[in-house]
Parts: sequence; C-alpha cells; structure tokens
Amino acid sequence: NAGVTQTPKFQVLKTGQSMTLQCAQDMNHEYMSWYRQDPGMGLRLIHYSVGAGITDQGEVPNGYNVSRSTTEDFPLRLLSAAPSQTSVYFCASSTGGDGYTFGSGTRLTVV
Amino acid sequence: GEDVEQSLFLSVREGDSSVINCTYTDSSSTYLYWYKQEPGAGLQLLTYIFSNMDMKQDQRLTVLLNKKDKHLSLRIADTQTGDSAIYFCAEIPSGGGADGLTFGKGTHLIIQP
Repeated sequence: NAGVTQTPKFQVLKTGQSMTLQCAQDMNHEYMSWYRQDPGMGLRLIHYSVGAGITDQGEVPNGYNVSRSTTEDFPLRLLSAAPSQTSVYFCASSTGGDGYTFGSGTRLTVV
Repeated sequence: GEDVEQSLFLSVREGDSSVINCTYTDSSSTYLYWYKQEPGAGLQLLTYIFSNMDMKQDQRLTVLLNKKDKHLSLRIADTQTGDSAIYFCAEIPSGGGADGLTFGKGTHLIIQP
C-alpha cells in the first residue's frame, strides 16, 4: 500500500495562476481532508470530505475548491493563487477515530 | 470554537525524559492524538488515546489524559537525538472524526548532548 500520495512535492506559481494539488489514497478510507501548515500556526483545516460526493469547508476555505468524485481522490484547487497561499499543504485520510494518515506534503510558493 | 494549546519549545538533555503538555477546550473530544514531524517531512502518528482512558503506554511513550482539566501530556522516556522534532497535539472535535482534526501549534523538542 502506498498510503496517501500527494503530487507535486514542490510548486512555484505566479500570482493569479490556478493549479490543482493532487491527493490519492489506496486504503479505502471514507474521510479525507486538506490542511495548510504555516510557521507558528500549526495545521489548519481547509476542506474535508466524509465520502464520495460530499465535501465541506474547514477553518480556512477561502480561495480553495475541492471535489470528491471517487473514494480514492481528493484534489485541492487554487482558483487564482495569491502570495498568502504560500504554505505547505497536507492531505490526510482516515476511517475515523484511530488516526489520520498524512501525505508527505506539497510545498507551494506563490510569487 | 475549539482550541488546542501547546508550549512552543522544550529543551531536554539526551537520556532524560521529555514531557510535552497540551490543553484542549472541547470537552466532547473523543480521540486525542500526538503526531511527530521531522524537518521537511510529513506528520507521523505517534500514539492516540480515547477519551474514556486515563493513560496509555507504548514502549518509550506514555500518554496521560486528565479530562477534568482538559490536559493531555506525552512523556518520552530516555530521550534520544532522533526524537528531535515538532510534536503536535490534535483532537477530534465532537463530530466523531469525519470533519478533520484540530491541531495545536506544535512543540519543538530540542535535545541537548
């Protein structure tokens, strides 16, 4: 099992560009979520999904869209990148209480 | 809303025990977690405790939960240089796990030789 796979690992965008961060899991987990990690801020929840076709907003959803067409995939879309979205992004999946499995992260820089 | 608080730094000597503390506000939290993050890496689940437990031990790790004070601690026995990392406390709010985790800001564990 690969666990949670995130691509790309690194990305540089210009302000106003759009892009999609990919996340895939092969553990048949129902729950998936996206976080951003900024220095001194810990991890903050962007969007989450409780199953295919169902998504909801987390703490910091502005500027991001998600969709969940399959159990395995949960892409995060930046519609018009801004410097404030420079961060490290983590995707995670879970079946519930016994812990979330995290991907290795995508380091995004918006210039 | 929910909030999870941790000290930002902890410095210990190699071979001593490290105790990392965390407080949370959601009294209906069902699970509480400790994650470890090494530089440039993702988050590794170290251990977790269910809210009806007071203590959990796993090799060098001991988790203590005081529900009355909403206080969680992680004790690492015989701290080694490989334990140098950021440790995050996290809780599942009352939603039961579907709606993600709430994290503290992380404690940087610094190991002195």
